[in-house]
Amino acid sequence: EPEVTQTPSHQVTQMGQEVILRCVPISNHLYFYWYRQILGQKVEFLVSFYNNEISEKSEIFDDQFSVERPDGSNFTLKIRSTKLEDSAMYFCASSHRTGSDTQYFGPGTRLTVL
Amino acid sequence: AQSVAQPEDQVNVAEGNPLTVKCTYSVSGNPYLFWYVQYPNRGLQFLLKYITGDNLVKGSYGFEAEFNKSQTSFHLKKPSALVSDSALYFCAVRDQDTGRRALTFGSGTRLQVQP
Repeated sequence: EPEVTQTPSHQVTQMGQEVILRCVPISNHLYFYWYRQILGQKVEFLVSFYNNEISEKSEIFDDQFSVERPDGSNFTLKIRSTKLEDSAMYFCASSHRTGSDTQYFGPGTRLTVL
Repeated sequence: AQSVAQPEDQVNVAEGNPLTVKCTYSVSGNPYLFWYVQYPNRGLQFLLKYITGDNLVKGSYGFEAEFNKSQTSFHLKKPSALVSDSALYFCAVRDQDTGRRALTFGSGTRLQVQP
């Protein structure tokens, strides 16, 4: 069964550094998403991406964040200058195009900012 | 705005007994409703969803959920719990009518099934 994959599983970085989190969505999916879960809190939507552009973003997704689909398979989330409060589990998800389609999630990347 | 409430942080049930994990939601339009399960060090695994039609939805691993529009609820159920069902369960909603795709999640309910 196809799965969403994410790398790395755990990333440790110093405050102020840039990080790039990588995801390979399910191959025939057209919508891609990033969510995050701060320890002990809810899973929160960050951004959705369709047809090579952002289709929706939350208030969390400020200028420090960016997303990109650099090739036909990868989908990345970049945080330009990490803050302590960016420490969280980041989940990538993908779905088909139709509105009711299920979002399938990857295993997550745990980001620790020191 | 859309929201989800999972009123129980933890549910304890004995193996073989039925289980219910509660979820209520709020959307301005018609909802798409989802249940996901998270095992330790794993991502969110899709269990089942409600789109339209039959209020009783059947999903993976013997789970089912009942959509109740008047009570704005979507409780997850299983007739006979297994120890292996022990995990963190999340309910999520999105509004069918807005075109937005962002899921709003509840805070999660930890299910503990005792042998």
